[in-house]
Amino acid sequence: QVQIVQSGAEVKEPGASVKVSCKTSRYTFTNYAIHWVRQAPGQGLEWVGWINAGNGYTKYSQSFQGRVTITRDTSASTAYMELSSLRTEDTAVYFCARDRRPYCTNDCWGIDYWGQGSLVTVSS
Amino acid sequence: ETTLTQSPAFMSATPGDKVNISCKASRDIDDDMNWYQQKPGEAPIFLIQEASTLVPGISPRFSGSGYGTDFTLTINNIKSEDAAYYFCLQHDDFPYTFGQGTKVEIK
Repeated sequence: QVQIVQSGAEVKEPGASVKVSCKTSRYTFTNYAIHWVRQAPGQGLEWVGWINAGNGYTKYSQSFQGRVTITRDTSASTAYMELSSLRTEDTAVYFCARDRRPYCTNDCWGIDYWGQGSLVTVSS
Repeated sequence: ETTLTQSPAFMSATPGDKVNISCKASRDIDDDMNWYQQKPGEAPIFLIQEASTLVPGISPRFSGSGYGTDFTLTINNIKSEDAAYYFCLQHDDFPYTFGQGTKVEIK
């Protein structure tokens, strides 16, 4: 069974950066894309961006363009999401999740497995 | 960007009821719709793929239907363990977008 384990909760001040990790196991990491999705308190889910774990190609939501960077370490089967210039409204649970389609580029199949989420709190 | 309008936002059901949750897309997305269940503090669970295909290992009390712009998640013979937040996801184009979710309470 695919496993996805995320790093723990973080508390940051406005203007700071946060980097969340997403360690995967029990499948071939480079064969699948990893998405990042966030859920603010009392709100719905919002797609942040995506990385092709094989070639490192990324795509980001326009809402986060310029503030988010998604990377991966293939030797550790781990993806990372760094969000900079944090604002109080970035307080949310951040999920990483695997795309269902192997080798997807543009025509992907949605998410099958999710991490447990990482709470990021932005407060002064 | 494709907008998904999910309804209702909240519902209360009695064990044994049949429950329907709707998700309407702002444009035609074929059958590129998935459904998920999420319980507090847990990772979401994948229930339905391609609008109507039950994910292996998921109870057959769950079913999905629809194509194009109108989609429905149905829970038959609802049980106390089905109390959760349910949401839809479209993967027809980027960015992926989500419905606002439905909280299901069991009386």
